[in-house]
Amino acid sequence: NAGVTQTPKFQVLKTGQSMTLQCAQDMNHNSMYWYRQDPGMGLRLIYYSASEGTTDKGEVPNGYNVSRLNKREFSLRLESAAPSQTSVYFCASSRDRGPDEKLFFGSGTQLSVL
Amino acid sequence: DQQVKQNSPSLSVQEGRISILNCDYTNSMFDYFLWYKKYPAEGPTFLISISSIKDKNEDGRFTVFLNKSAKHLSLHIVPSQPGDSAVYFCAASSYNDYKLSFGAGTTVTVRA
Repeated sequence: NAGVTQTPKFQVLKTGQSMTLQCAQDMNHNSMYWYRQDPGMGLRLIYYSASEGTTDKGEVPNGYNVSRLNKREFSLRLESAAPSQTSVYFCASSRDRGPDEKLFFGSGTQLSVL
Repeated sequence: DQQVKQNSPSLSVQEGRISILNCDYTNSMFDYFLWYKKYPAEGPTFLISISSIKDKNEDGRFTVFLNKSAKHLSLHIVPSQPGDSAVYFCAASSYNDYKLSFGAGTTVTVRA
């Protein structure tokens, strides 16, 4: 039972490089999310997809794009990485979008931008 | 501006004693509150939640208390066990816009 799988686990980029973080869930969840975790800031929502075919901005969307490829997969792209994007990124999913829905998280991607 | 605040970055407690984690929020529209637990190199996992219509919810060793007038909630772990050593995140949302706001987390260390 994999749950939410994120790749890669670690990545080092140079400023200006691009990359895509991949996320897949096998729980048949409708909603998927990308968060970033920074020291002293908690988890902040970057983008979410309430259902297949829809995506919306969260709190901190600047510098990112997302694609909901199908019901299982939700990718996060950094087009031109900046040092401010150094963070730990978590993908999550939930059955549906709602305040009482439990989120299921992947194990995270530690990204460093030099 | 953070709407959910966990003012204690860390907490150290002896095994068998009570751990009390505190969380304050500023948005009076929040009506659902959750706690997530995170081990190193893993993603957060859901621990316990409470709706604003309740003031207490209990699940085994974990109890969450909500004081709406004070905009304050707390998580009690009794008795604390070494496996409880983790980072605990408080989170809140509303039925209005579903956006989940997280606190910065409290690192709990349970000493043997």
